[in-house]
Amino acid sequence: DTEVTQTPKHLVMGMTNKKSLKCEQHMGHRAMYWYKQKAKKPPELMFVYSYEKLSINESVPSRFSPECPNSSLLNLHLHALQPEDSALYLCASSQTIPTYEQYFGPGTRLTVT
Amino acid sequence: AQRVTQPEKLLSVFKGAPVELKCNYSYSGSPELFWYVQYSRQRLQLLLRHISRESIKGFTADLNKGETSFHLKKPFAQEEDSAMYYCALMDNQGGKLIFGQGTELSVKP
Repeated sequence: DTEVTQTPKHLVMGMTNKKSLKCEQHMGHRAMYWYKQKAKKPPELMFVYSYEKLSINESVPSRFSPECPNSSLLNLHLHALQPEDSALYLCASSQTIPTYEQYFGPGTRLTVT
Repeated sequence: AQRVTQPEKLLSVFKGAPVELKCNYSYSGSPELFWYVQYSRQRLQLLLRHISRESIKGFTADLNKGETSFHLKKPFAQEEDSAMYYCALMDNQGGKLIFGQGTELSVKP
């Protein structure tokens, strides 16, 4: 399996809801990433996990909470989001850090109402 | 400061014409540079990286340290090349990709 998968594909949530995004890879990669991407803009890094430990947090608001339960799985827990958080959330993985290539998932399209 | 600049938001060419997408970077040391492509409704994927010096889908990119540039070129554009292209730089800690703002390439028939 050489792909990064993300579920759900689409998510609509209210500002008081709690939801989670899921990312999975079975390539044996030990680094995983969350990005946020607005339309026609580059991805913005949110978090990096290396060997299941959080190694980079790009000053992301606490309403976004990442979790890496094992080397294949990455979650992003969402709570009390704002409409401006609506975006495409991308997961990526790489063999290690430093890395020569990051493999991206298809993303979850999040709409906050 | 580490930075990637793509000066063109949109580049429109006709099929069969040469295309060059510009990328300039700011980095102290030896940079690790990449081009990523995002076709409509598809995932972001690596097109090429400077260390491998490969040609992918007819695209090449040469690192010019003197001009701090890593421009992407293709001699004959195809309609299927229409996509968003991002130049990216690996930061000096190796964990973060610094993306340019992207250039949308439109190849007209």
